[in-house]
Amino acid sequence: KAGVTQTPRYLIKTRGQQVTLSCSPISGHRSVSWYQQTPGQGLQFLFEYFSETQRNKGNFPGRFSGRQFSNSRSEMNVSTLELGDSALYLCASSLGRQGNTEAFFGQGTRLTVV
Amino acid sequence: DAKTTQPNSMESNEEEPVHLPCNHSTISGTDYIHWYRQLPSQGPEYVIHGLTSNVNNRMASLAIAEDRKSSTLILHRATLRDAAVYYCILRHGGLTGNQFYFGTGTSLTVIP
Repeated sequence: KAGVTQTPRYLIKTRGQQVTLSCSPISGHRSVSWYQQTPGQGLQFLFEYFSETQRNKGNFPGRFSGRQFSNSRSEMNVSTLELGDSALYLCASSLGRQGNTEAFFGQGTRLTVV
Repeated sequence: DAKTTQPNSMESNEEEPVHLPCNHSTISGTDYIHWYRQLPSQGPEYVIHGLTSNVNNRMASLAIAEDRKSSTLILHRATLRDAAVYYCILRHGGLTGNQFYFGTGTSLTVIP
């Protein structure tokens, strides 16, 4: 069974540009969550999608957005990039949304903003 | 989600058992206790979860205090590959979604 796939693995962008990251969940999983990891703030929840609808959102500015397609694949977009957006972006997929459900994480996309 | 408290770091000798503690004094009756670990340069990995009873799987054991205000992740024989940051997370038992709130976790060093 293939794991969670995130593309690209590495990305370098310039301030002011926008970026789109992709996440393919495990087959059959309909819940996809996104996280930002930085040395200073640790792992922070960005948003969660389930059945193409955003269900929860973390405390991030509107420059961070996402969507989910009918095949459960998800993309997140960051517009007007800032230096502080440099981070490891992780996505996780889950079969359901209950509290006893485990999440499977991808290896992440390392974004560097210069 | 309720908050958890873990030591910032711990050390263990290789092939010895490791007990990683977690305090969650504000846990509610329906909160599940989850443990994840993150190896260097990788995404977090599920380790184990439980509600009230102790749990065992191929990776680890989870011991839950009777009052559920604390728990301990037990690695029975630490290997160098177990060196990682271990996160203890509480999740509501209902249909609350898949947002995980990670604390700072415990950085485990395994000494050869």
